[in-house]
Amino acid sequence: DAKTTQPPSMDCAEGRAANLPCNHSTISGNEYVYWYRQIHSQGPQYIIHGLKNNETNEMASLIITEDRKSSTLILPHATLRDTAVYYCIVKSIREASGSRLTFGEGTQLTVNP
Amino acid sequence: DTEVTQTPKHLVMGMTNKKSLKCEQHMGHRAMYWYKQKAKKPPELMFVYSYEKLSINESVPSRFSPECPNSSLLNLHLHALQPEDSALYLCASSPLYSGTSGTSYEQYFGPGTRLTVT
Repeated sequence: DAKTTQPPSMDCAEGRAANLPCNHSTISGNEYVYWYRQIHSQGPQYIIHGLKNNETNEMASLIITEDRKSSTLILPHATLRDTAVYYCIVKSIREASGSRLTFGEGTQLTVNP
Repeated sequence: DTEVTQTPKHLVMGMTNKKSLKCEQHMGHRAMYWYKQKAKKPPELMFVYSYEKLSINESVPSRFSPECPNSSLLNLHLHALQPEDSALYLCASSPLYSGTSGTSYEQYFGPGTRLTVT
């Protein structure tokens, strides 16, 4: 699996957009970028994934650079409930199931009132 | 139903006890996972079951014994644990790869069992 690098922590004001970066410079052509988050003392929760096009769902948007070496998860209007550790994981679709998710240290996002 | 349930939520056990953790899902997923998470660390994979058969064991000590009695249930049997085994134990499930386009194959996690070994 390609290695990912994320800042250890970020702060965001409630109601503002939270932009969480992830570097994955060794990503290979068949690997997707997955984002999960883990709210304190809960299990991780899938947010979104993408290959090369930008993706949006009801939780977030994912912007992947054209060279696919980095991506940004965007929470458009952060709320206090979005305070969590956010994990960026690179994985091929085939290996995403029935195989390990290798969680790095992630980014602790704190949304402030 | 997109929920993975885990029981118990909390467990305190002595080093000579035998206990079991239980995980259940009704999403029809044929892959199930056990992860261990120490405080302030990311989850680490312990075991994977595919079609009810153990497919990955991440060199976990034998005092942890997984079992998958059917496609909806996953157990983790605990025996002679050490205090350093105290952690949050997370169960997850996912579909297995089938080549169907548009499937994300994400893993669905349960809330975890907080285990304390005294």
